[in-house]
Amino acid sequence: GENVEQHPSTLSVQEGDSAVIKCTYSDSASNYFPWYKQELGKRPQLIIDIRSNVGEKKDQRIAVTLNKTAKHFSLHITETQPEDSAVYFCAASEETSYDKVIFGPGTSLSVIP
Amino acid sequence: DTEVTQTPKHLVMGMTNKKSLKCEQHMGHRAMYWYKQKAKKPPELMFVYSYEKLSINESVPSRFSPECPNSSLLNLHLHALQPEDSALYLCASSHSGTREHIQYFGAGTRLSVL
Repeated sequence: GENVEQHPSTLSVQEGDSAVIKCTYSDSASNYFPWYKQELGKRPQLIIDIRSNVGEKKDQRIAVTLNKTAKHFSLHITETQPEDSAVYFCAASEETSYDKVIFGPGTSLSVIP
Repeated sequence: DTEVTQTPKHLVMGMTNKKSLKCEQHMGHRAMYWYKQKAKKPPELMFVYSYEKLSINESVPSRFSPECPNSSLLNLHLHALQPEDSALYLCASSHSGTREHIQYFGAGTRLSVL
């Protein structure tokens, strides 16, 4: 089955700096990669996703890149703000079962004002 | 409306109790999920219902019993739980069998087993 690893487990940046979170996956059949943000005490919410036929996707201050050959993908947050502080989970979806999403262990991001 | 509603928000139960968690969505989604989340850990998939049929059971102990009465409702029946079952239980929903499978999560039920 799919296994998703994520680094770093914790990340602290100054407000205005960039943050990068990296993930690797094991199943070459995975073709859908969502990123979820979970603020303390709140539900996980999708912030961006990418499919395997695309190498990069941007949405304002957030971008995701995918390298299918190396089986890794990354989240980039530019001009970080205190409200970006949260736990971020990357995930991968197996091609054989679009309903099953495997989450990485998470990265706790702290943005220091 | 992108809301998944879970009740109750908090639940405390003894190991001999029977209780149920409820989840509701009105987005027309035909896939619904139960996840268990421990503190500082990712959501861990328990069950998936697709078109009201159980399609995935991640080897969950039988003291957890899911039910999908209709396309909008999902229940999780709890019986004879253990203290280690204390966690946040999240419900989610999405379109099923298509490539548009963004999962929308409910706010969760925080369960404490005494």
